[in-house]
Amino acid sequence: GAGVSQSPSNKVTEKGKDVELRCDPISGHTALYWYRQRLGQGLEFLIYFQGNSAPDKSGLPSDRFSAERTGESVSTLTIQRTQQEDSAVYLCASSFSQTNSPLHFGNGTRLTVT
Amino acid sequence: DQQVKQNSPSLSVQEGRISILNCDYTNSMFDYFLWYKKYPAEGPTFLISISSIKDKNEDGRFTVFLNKSAKHLSLHIVPSQPGDSAVYFCAASGVTGNQFYFGTGTSLTVIP
Repeated sequence: GAGVSQSPSNKVTEKGKDVELRCDPISGHTALYWYRQRLGQGLEFLIYFQGNSAPDKSGLPSDRFSAERTGESVSTLTIQRTQQEDSAVYLCASSFSQTNSPLHFGNGTRLTVT
Repeated sequence: DQQVKQNSPSLSVQEGRISILNCDYTNSMFDYFLWYKKYPAEGPTFLISISSIKDKNEDGRFTVFLNKSAKHLSLHIVPSQPGDSAVYFCAASGVTGNQFYFGTGTSLTVIP
C-alpha cells in the first residue's frame, strides 16, 4: 500500500519490559514524526526526523524513550522498562519536507502495559 | 501549555444540517492550519488545510475559516452526513513547519 504502515497494531507487555514499535513512512516523504495519544487526550508530539538532520527529540517524555530512523525510511520507537503510564496509541506520521505539507498518519500501535 | 485548543469535546448535529467545529490557538507565529478526521482504531486522516495568507478554503462539503486577529479557525461541514461522525482534530504549525500542534479533538455525532 501507499500509506504509512505501523507494526505491530497491538502490543501487550508486562511492566518493566522493553518494546519496539516500527514505522514505514510513505515513499518520498523525508519528514517523519512520532506522536502519542493517551486515552481521552489529544496527540502529544514525541520526536521528529527530517532527512539527515539531527532529530528534534524535545517531546520525548523520559530517557526511557528513544527513536531511530535509517536514512529516509523505516523508524523504530523504543521504550525501555515500560511503565503503566506508557499505555497509549503511538502514531507515526510522514510528510514531504516543504512548508505547508500535511502529515499523513499510520493507524498506530496500541500499547498496553500490564 | 496547550497552544491549540478545542473547547468543545463533543457535538451532535442532525443529518443535513451544518456542523461547525471550532479551534483556538495562542501562538501568533502559526501560519499553517489543518483539520484531521479520526475514526476509532484508525490514524487521523488529513481533511483540509489553510495557510495564513487566506481566510477561507473550501473542498466540497468542507470549508475552513481562519480569523487571524482572533486566533480562531473553524471547520464547517454542510450538509452533515452520518459518515461524518468521527473525532475531528485541528492542528497548527509555524514558519519552520517542524512541529505540528494538535488540539484535543471534538467528537462529532451526526444523527440520521
